[in-house]
Amino acid sequence: KNQVEQSPQSLIILEGKNCTLQCNYTVSPFSNLRWYKQDTGRGPVSLTIMTFSENTKSNGRYTATLDADTKQSSLHITASQLSDSASYICVVSSFSGGYNKLIFGAGTRLAVHP
Amino acid sequence: DADVTQTPRNRITKTGKRIMLECSQTKGHDRMYWYRQDPGLGLRLIYYSFDVKDINKGEISDGYSVSRQAQAKFSLSLESAIPNQTALYFCATSDRASGGAPYNEQFFGPGTRLTVL
Repeated sequence: KNQVEQSPQSLIILEGKNCTLQCNYTVSPFSNLRWYKQDTGRGPVSLTIMTFSENTKSNGRYTATLDADTKQSSLHITASQLSDSASYICVVSSFSGGYNKLIFGAGTRLAVHP
Repeated sequence: DADVTQTPRNRITKTGKRIMLECSQTKGHDRMYWYRQDPGLGLRLIYYSFDVKDINKGEISDGYSVSRQAQAKFSLSLESAIPNQTALYFCATSDRASGGAPYNEQFFGPGTRLTVL
């Protein structure tokens, strides 16, 4: 069964600190892996997208890594800001039938405190 | 203006009522999707459509129906709402896959919070 599991479920850090969120997946066939940021009351917004051959992708203070052998990904946030408070969702795509079926993790809820 | 809009943003209704959630997009995308999000769970696909004449069931379509009235509009209906349909509903759009490229990203609307009493 295709699954995406994220840890931790929630995390509290102080402003300016770094943090790393984890994602493990069992999805086949694998197309790509995305990290989304979902602010409260908003829809998810893409942060990074990585295919099988990419093992690191950065977007400002966000750096995602992918280990396709172990089927693990991480999202590292550097020098956190209050605006980073959100849910971060790991999404794995499986391309079949002409489109990318998305399998969503439950998300990690991050709270950045001053 | 937002590229993907949903109406209403919030709705409280009673068991047995018929409810319609609307989605409109100005991105010019062919493909549209409806998802629901429940606490502690990932988003789950309800229905999707690749063009005006195309409707496909997702993993949790029971109790829902959809209508693709135009390329830009995709509506979700609950014919007889029940309390376990209380959830956050998201519409999304994507461009068609070009040459099998895996990057065709989905863009999400702001969501509709539905409560069924």
